[in-house]
Amino acid sequence: GQNIDQPTEMTATEGAIVQINCTYQTSGFNGLFWYQQHAGEAPTFLSYNVLDGLEEKGRFSSFLSRSKGYSYLLLKELQMKDSASYLCAVRGMDFNKFYFGSGTKLNVKP
Amino acid sequence: DTEVTQTPKHLVMGMTNKKSLKCEQHMGHRAMYWYKQKAKKPPELMFVYSYEKLSINESVPSRFSPECPNSSLLNLHLHALQPEDSALYLCASSPPSGGQETQYFGPGTRLLVL
Repeated sequence: GQNIDQPTEMTATEGAIVQINCTYQTSGFNGLFWYQQHAGEAPTFLSYNVLDGLEEKGRFSSFLSRSKGYSYLLLKELQMKDSASYLCAVRGMDFNKFYFGSGTKLNVKP
Repeated sequence: DTEVTQTPKHLVMGMTNKKSLKCEQHMGHRAMYWYKQKAKKPPELMFVYSYEKLSINESVPSRFSPECPNSSLLNLHLHALQPEDSALYLCASSPPSGGQETQYFGPGTRLLVL
């Protein structure tokens, strides 16, 4: 079966840095995606990793280690609007199939 | 146009009703998806259409019936639903080439079954 694990909830302070981890065990791997989802809204794409290493996009960075089945999303200079759920998703052997983790709810406090 | 649209935004239906959810995209994507999402849970894949053919059905009950009339449209027909089917129904699309192209999600239809 497919298994993707993330912490359920995290709290951080405005202006700080937070790292959200994701570990996965899937049959096949064709990329790992991070999405942001505000309550009651659709997920929006944040980042993509398929090779080992760090991808940086503004305040957001994502890291992948395929040998360890591990990724993290790093959010810098946290803002109140970053309070949301963050979903880790792995695309399997079938390019059309994405396996989602349960999501990490991030609370940013003043 | 990088948008996936869904109608209606909200739907309330009784267990004997028949209704349909609609999804549309004009990005030339050839894969389209239906997901179901309960509160505080991740999206659960229901169906995938690839080049207008049903390629994945995740053992969804027959009271949900998908339809892909053309490459831009995706419908989900609902009949004799149960209260536990109340959820956010998300449509998504993606290009066929894979790579870093991700899925693009619509805003969802919030369904309440009474």
